[in-house]
This record gives sequence, structure tokens and C-alpha cells, in this order.
Amino acid sequence: QQQVKQSPQSLIVQKGGIPIINCAYENTAFDYFPWYQQFPGKGPALLIAIRPDVSEKKEGRFTISFNKSAKQFSLHIMDSQPGDSATYFCAARGGATNKLIFGTGTLLAVQP
Amino acid sequence: NAGVTQTPKFQVLKTGQSMTLQCAQDMNHEYMSWYRQDPGMGLRLIHYSVGAGITDQGEVPNGYNVSRSTTEDFPLRLLSAAPSQTSVYFCASSYNQGAPNTEAFFGQGTRLTVV
Repeated sequence: QQQVKQSPQSLIVQKGGIPIINCAYENTAFDYFPWYQQFPGKGPALLIAIRPDVSEKKEGRFTISFNKSAKQFSLHIMDSQPGDSATYFCAARGGATNKLIFGTGTLLAVQP
Repeated sequence: NAGVTQTPKFQVLKTGQSMTLQCAQDMNHEYMSWYRQDPGMGLRLIHYSVGAGITDQGEVPNGYNVSRSTTEDFPLRLLSAAPSQTSVYFCASSYNQGAPNTEAFFGQGTRLTVV
């Protein structure tokens, strides 16, 4: 079963736009929600992460919004640039085994 | 500091062949894991290890074996390769899986094709 559901599957925005990627989870034991960025031919790399005791976290142009009651979290990229074109994965970890579970990924293309 | 190193980067196997994907990390991380990445499926956990001598299954363990004899190495073995195992495989490690906010570091991946 898909414990972390991610949408959309792909996204195209113009330079300067604000792409938003959404994720939803089911397991209330999750206590750590990272986003990973992956460029073609590379492994994923941590972009930003949040814990459920805060509703928002900003790092540069990247913001995570977290809604604990709805069990949803999202990634916003402000003033998007062509260099942000990549695949983005949300993930969640926690519970008895502490395994890191990933969403299905979003392929983002930022057009110049 | 090499981080997480995976070998080989590319591999073509015939159905029924066996092989081992190597993964080594030099960060003294306790936790290591293997994922496979397939289009539209994201990263799915195959096996993981919380320390030397301890391994456990992830979401898609069938057809794969692992062992963890040292902290540094976590090889993934395909016993009898099948076309369904064609994928990109990633190894990851983190310092302390039990602590929150612990970053997982990924290798560059192994692209495996089974014909």
C-alpha cells in the first residue's frame, strides 16, 4: 500500500512561478517529513525537512507547509528557476521501524 | 570523504543470473538501506539494516538478499535475476535512524537491466 501519496506526477511552470507539490500520509506515527531533490543520473539529496510540531519551515526559496490534522504537507518553491528542474520526492519516517518511506515523485520543469 | 559509493554504475544481466550490488559508506553510519526506483513508483525500500549483523525487510524484498558484516558495507544480492528487477537501485545511509531529523545520504545509483 502507498503510505505516502504525492501529487502531481509532473508539473511545468514558467520561470518565477511558484510550483506546489502535495503529499498526504496515513500513519500518524510518522514524525519526520523530508523532501528530496533528484537531478538526472544522480541520487536523491535532502532539500528541506519538517517535524509535525511546526506548521511551516522556510529555507531560502523552499517552504514546507504542514497540516497535522489533515495529514498533509506540501513543498512550495518561490521564484522558481530553470535550475530547479528536477524530480522531487516527499518522504515520511517514524513508527516502530523508523523506515523512510517515499512518495512517487514529481517531475518539475521550469521553463525559461 | 567519499560518502556513499555504489558499484557498478551500470549492469546488464541475463535472466537467471546472479550478481551482487556493492554499497560502501565512510561516514560511520549505523543505518543503511537499499531502494529501487521505477517510473511512477517512486523509491521503494527493499531491505535495510540498523547496524552490523542486523537486517530487515522493506516493502519489496522478494528476490533480494542482504547481509551486514561490517558497519561500512551493505551488499545487495540478486539470486536469480528476472526482467521485473530491471530498475535503478540506490543505497542510502544515515547516522542514527532512531533520532529525528537525520539526513539520509544516497549513492549515485546502479542502473540494472535484466534481459
